[in-house]
Order: sequence, then C-alpha cells, then structure tokens
Amino acid sequence: AQRVTQPEKLLSVFKGAPVELKCNYSYSGSPELFWYVQYSRQRLQLLLRHISRESIKGFTADLNKGETSFHLKKPFAQEEDSAMYYCALSGSRLTFGEGTQLTVNP
Amino acid sequence: EADIYQTPRYLVIGTGKKITLECSQTMGHDKMYWYQQDPGMELHLIHYSYGVNSTEKGDLSSESTVSRIRTEHFPLTLESARPSHTSQYLCASSEGGDDNEQFFGPGTRLTVL
Repeated sequence: AQRVTQPEKLLSVFKGAPVELKCNYSYSGSPELFWYVQYSRQRLQLLLRHISRESIKGFTADLNKGETSFHLKKPFAQEEDSAMYYCALSGSRLTFGEGTQLTVNP
Repeated sequence: EADIYQTPRYLVIGTGKKITLECSQTMGHDKMYWYQQDPGMELHLIHYSYGVNSTEKGDLSSESTVSRIRTEHFPLTLESARPSHTSQYLCASSEGGDDNEQFFGPGTRLTVL
C-alpha cells in the first residue's frame, strides 16, 4: 500500500526565515512525488514535481529514497507563501498527504 | 478557454434530499476524479474515471455514485443526503498516466442540515 505522511498540520515562520515542510512516503515501487498548493480562496494546483528538478517560487524539493522523504524547502519565506501544502505520491493512484498549513508572519 | 468547472459552488440542503454535483472540463482529458476535502483539509479520493463508461471507487468509502457518459462530464450524485455528507467536494482531471498533473476545479461546498 502507498502512503504519504506530513507530520506537521500547522507550520508558522517569520518572513525571511527558512522554511521546510516535511513529507515522508511509503511505496514499494519507484515513486513519482509532487507538491500541490492551495492558496486562500484559490484552487488546488501543482507546485512542483520531483522529476522536473526545478525551483518554483523559490521552493525546491529533493527526493531522498534512503529516507523515503520529499521535503519542500525555501530559504527565505515570503508572506505570499502562506497556504495549504499537500505532498502527493503517484503509484497506483495519486495519494495525498494530510496537508500542512503554512503561515508566514510579517 | 480550457478549464474545469464545478456547479454549484455552494449548496445547503436538508436531510434526505437527492443532489447532483456537476463537474465539466474542457481540457480534453480522459481521466477525471472526485475528492472529498474534510474540515481538517485532508483530501480523500472517492471516485475516479479513466474514460467514458469507466468509473471506479476511490480510497474513501462514499455513499455517492458517479457516471461518465461523456468525456467532459463527470457528475456525482447523492441519493439521500445526510449531515455526514457535509464537506468540500473537489473535481479534477488529468491526461495520460497517474503521474501527470491533476487540474482541479473550484470545488463545491456542501452543507446538509
């Protein structure tokens, strides 16, 4: 069975501070991992995927197969980063984690 | 413009009513999905479809049913709504394999009194 765990339901940081949203997964095959984001009053949308190896809005995420993790990081958080973030694993189907509500305080 | 639409956006109804939540997409996607987003904001897949006349139940047991008679249309029906059905329902679509991006609609917030 595939599973995604986001251990922090709530995360609060100050503007300019580094932020890391944790994601751990379990999957027996070769995983495809994603981060989706939902800003207030907006639709859920894809932020980035691990195969792209790109930085989106200053966010990066590295797949660590040894630790079965796909943590989302940004060195300097901005207030506009405040949103709900979901880690997702594509195996037999796309499975979402429980989500982390990030608040960036001024 | 390619998009995914959900109607109604908000619905408040009484217990026992039959309701249908509409979802349409003009993305040209074969795959469509229904998710339930609970108050704690967790997302649970309740139904999905890989094409016309194909529907499957998702990971979360649901009393709702779906149909896929046309590629662009994937309605969800509750025969007899109950307060436990109160939730946010999100429709999504994607092309190709499950590792492709899913595009989400704006959601329907359902409240059953």
